[in-house]
Amino acid sequence: GQQLNQSPQSMFIQEGEDVSMNCTSSSIFNTWLWYKQDPGEGPVLLIALYKAGELTSNGRLTAQFGTTRKDSFLNISASIPSDVGIYFCAGQKDSNYQLIWGAGTKLIIKP
Amino acid sequence: NADVMQNPRHLVRRRGQEARLRCSPMKGHSHVYWYRQLPEEGLKFMVYLQKENIIDESGMPKERFSAEFPKEGPSILRIQQVVRGDSAAYFCASSRSGLETQYFGPGTRLLVL
Repeated sequence: GQQLNQSPQSMFIQEGEDVSMNCTSSSIFNTWLWYKQDPGEGPVLLIALYKAGELTSNGRLTAQFGTTRKDSFLNISASIPSDVGIYFCAGQKDSNYQLIWGAGTKLIIKP
Repeated sequence: NADVMQNPRHLVRRRGQEARLRCSPMKGHSHVYWYRQLPEEGLKFMVYLQKENIIDESGMPKERFSAEFPKEGPSILRIQQVVRGDSAAYFCASSRSGLETQYFGPGTRLLVL
């Protein structure tokens, strides 16, 4: 089945550093969603984007809906230990409830 | 996410047994989705249900898997005659309508021995 291309697969960063990750697709999506999943838990919605070019923030997180509608970016500023986890992008096409998921970016913070 | 309830959180079954996974959606939500997640992968859509109706089961294997969302009670994902390849995390999500944000439960981790 279709999947989004999410990169990087994993990131090792120092506390306080900024983090960037992205998702790309060969087809257009009308909604982009970013979720975080902690070990043993379900995905938690971080940011939802509904318009091409939209830039939305949630605390230290900022996400953008690419102008081509085929990509999205998530930035985390000044990372802290609780940011550790797996971040997933998910896309949704117009009038379709199915979420198409990326494979995730694992964020690891070096002590 | 605590409002979307799933149980059990962990389920161990031997090959050939049946697995029954339950999902209670968020209050006010009548749309339920089931997804499967293999290790190191994203979620894969399985089935979409509304009360008493299966809307889309295109992601569900044709055999051994079934889902229901009765008028009363939780949604059930049933896997008959489980095989080792069924081992995965199964997540339920709910939404108010078919195009609104989906909120996920904590998942059921199924291990088939």
